[in-house]
Amino acid sequence: QVQLQESGPGLVKPSETLSLTCTVSGGSVTTGSYYWSWIRQSPGKGLEWIGYIDYSGRTDYNPTLKSRVTISVDTSKNQFSLRLSSVTAADTVVYYCARASPLAFDLWGQGTMVTVSS
Amino acid sequence: EIVLTQSPGTLSLSPGERATLSCRASQSVSSSFLAWYQQRPGQAPRLLIYGASSRATGIPDRFSGSGSGTDFTLTISRLEPEDFAVYYCQQYGNSPLFTFGPGTKVDIK
Repeated sequence: QVQLQESGPGLVKPSETLSLTCTVSGGSVTTGSYYWSWIRQSPGKGLEWIGYIDYSGRTDYNPTLKSRVTISVDTSKNQFSLRLSSVTAADTVVYYCARASPLAFDLWGQGTMVTVSS
Repeated sequence: EIVLTQSPGTLSLSPGERATLSCRASQSVSSSFLAWYQQRPGQAPRLLIYGASSRATGIPDRFSGSGSGTDFTLTISRLEPEDFAVYYCQQYGNSPLFTFGPGTKVDIK
């Protein structure tokens, strides 16, 4: 069955760029009409959709983060990635990769905690 | 932006009881675009219901969804011990493309 796994640094310095990768196993990022997404969760703000990339490489981002976000896909590695620039303490949250099919998120990674601190 | 409001914030019930959770949208949402998730401590959310009333794969039939327009409901007919968790509603279709409600915690009375 298809599984998602996030990876990347757990600690990022303020003003730097957060980079996370989601590896898709048991399936392909180029299969079907899926939105390969990033979602984050904080105790104070709940679940927040960051953005997605689809099988054709089309992207859409949450307007609140759009100026700082890039989502890309590497089909050769069956991965998609998140880059969030100019991070602050407010970006210290749990980040999930997820698959939307495409109206709801039917598959999630386990999540990874990222801390922004010097 | 469509804002989702969930009530109550916390629901304290005993195993075997019926749970009724509400999700209200600030604007009308197509039924096709409303989903519910369960999140247990330390775990990622899990899709329960999509299209307002369709159960996701492997979800027990004690979970049911209903509603239309701006008012949606998730019902758990008889609470099992593993059902004590936080539940989120989510809508698709307006900028931002996906938004979530703040969640309802179902805890043991």
